Amino acid sequence: QKEVEQNSGPLSVPEGAIASLNCTYSDRGSQSFFWYRQYSGKSPELIMFIYSNGDKEDGRFTAQLNKASQYVSLLIRDSQPSDSATYLCASGGGTSYGKLTFGQGTILTVHP
Amino acid sequence: DTAVSQTPKYLVTQMGNDKSIKCEQNLGHDTMYWYKQDSKKFLKIMFSYNNKELIINETVPNRFSPKSPDKAHLNLHINSLELGDSAVYFCASSHERTGGLGEKLFFGSGTQLSVL
Repeated sequence: QKEVEQNSGPLSVPEGAIASLNCTYSDRGSQSFFWYRQYSGKSPELIMFIYSNGDKEDGRFTAQLNKASQYVSLLIRDSQPSDSATYLCASGGGTSYGKLTFGQGTILTVHP
Repeated sequence: DTAVSQTPKYLVTQMGNDKSIKCEQNLGHDTMYWYKQDSKKFLKIMFSYNNKELIINETVPNRFSPKSPDKAHLNLHINSLELGDSAVYFCASSHERTGGLGEKLFFGSGTQLSVL
């Protein structure tokens, strides 16, 4: 079983729709969770992090964490073509202290 | 000013050669990392240094040797390159070790290594 697993993509949504990206993790000791966006040929850039159960909103992005279910999600409202990228979920803490463990990424395409 | 810079951006070389990748960060961070991203975009840690001290050494062939001359620099030397070493190598840094406090990683632009 992968330590961090993301819903298989690619995910395609129309412009203006809500894109929902999901991630599960296996290490119950994980304490912090991150969403990175990676454009083709570029480096990952942090867009959201969360470490408390519940929702965290930042502009069009909402991260959701449910530690009981070991589940993290990222919602992107009013999706734009510029949101088209690979989204990487990562966990930190627990057995991953000192490093981030990444999922395999979900490719999101927002079409006009 | 680039926060985390690594050179070269592209590296094309023959099997069996030795090559180095250099990384520098000007963020004042204490911890630096090397991550490897394979062709399927899977990003995996290789090494981590905190204040010049090696703290994480994942299962990486000993042909890979990191060196941190000071806390702002972390280089990666690879001996006897193999076809399977072809990947994108990212340097990264964080203020402290990533963990429960949600320390964020800042990545360099990556080095695309192609071994022929």
